[in-house]
Amino acid sequence: EDKVVQSPLSLVVHEGDTVTLNCSYEVTNFRSLLWYKQEKKAPTFLFMLTSSGIEKKSGRLSSILDKKELFSILNITATQTGDSAIYLCAVEPARGSTLGRLYFGRGTQLTVWP
Amino acid sequence: ETGVTQSPTHLIKTRGQQVTLRCSSQSGHNTVSWYQQALGQGPQFIFQYYREEENGRGNFPPRFSGLQFPNYSSELNVNALELDDSALYLCASSSLGGDDEQFFGPGTRLTVL
Repeated sequence: EDKVVQSPLSLVVHEGDTVTLNCSYEVTNFRSLLWYKQEKKAPTFLFMLTSSGIEKKSGRLSSILDKKELFSILNITATQTGDSAIYLCAVEPARGSTLGRLYFGRGTQLTVWP
Repeated sequence: ETGVTQSPTHLIKTRGQQVTLRCSSQSGHNTVSWYQQALGQGPQFIFQYYREEENGRGNFPPRFSGLQFPNYSSELNVNALELDDSALYLCASSSLGGDDEQFFGPGTRLTVL
């Protein structure tokens, strides 16, 4: 069965710290891996990764995928209190016609103290 | 903000009742997926609708059913509510086969008493 495991489940840091969130997966016929930020309700899209070794960056956030070792990391540098949220990792398999079906991990709850 | 809307925002029901949740997809998107997110868990895929037909289903019983309308909006119906159905229900719209990521709506918080 397809599976996505995130670690740690919870993380508390101080403003200015750098954090690394981990996501490992087992999925048949991998298509993409996605990272979302969930503050209150709607997960908001951060990155979509499809190729190994290519880092994606957006401001202080960056992410990279290793398709050989089946994991991805999300880095946040110089954290701010506004980064406090749940970070969700999801994997999309390419199977049949059900594209867009995402398998999510439990998420990492990040808390940033001032 | 995405162009995906959901209603209602919150809902309280009792065991055994039935509920209908609604989702309007983003303009240009033809696919709606529904997810259930229990407290402390990641979203779990319920089913997907594409061009008004179910296009894949997760491990949810038949009392979870849905519809998609010609304008690509969608409904999620849950019959015979159970306490464990209490969760945040998210819909996500996308364009099947496209390169766009899925855009999530704000969700409906369902509480079953």
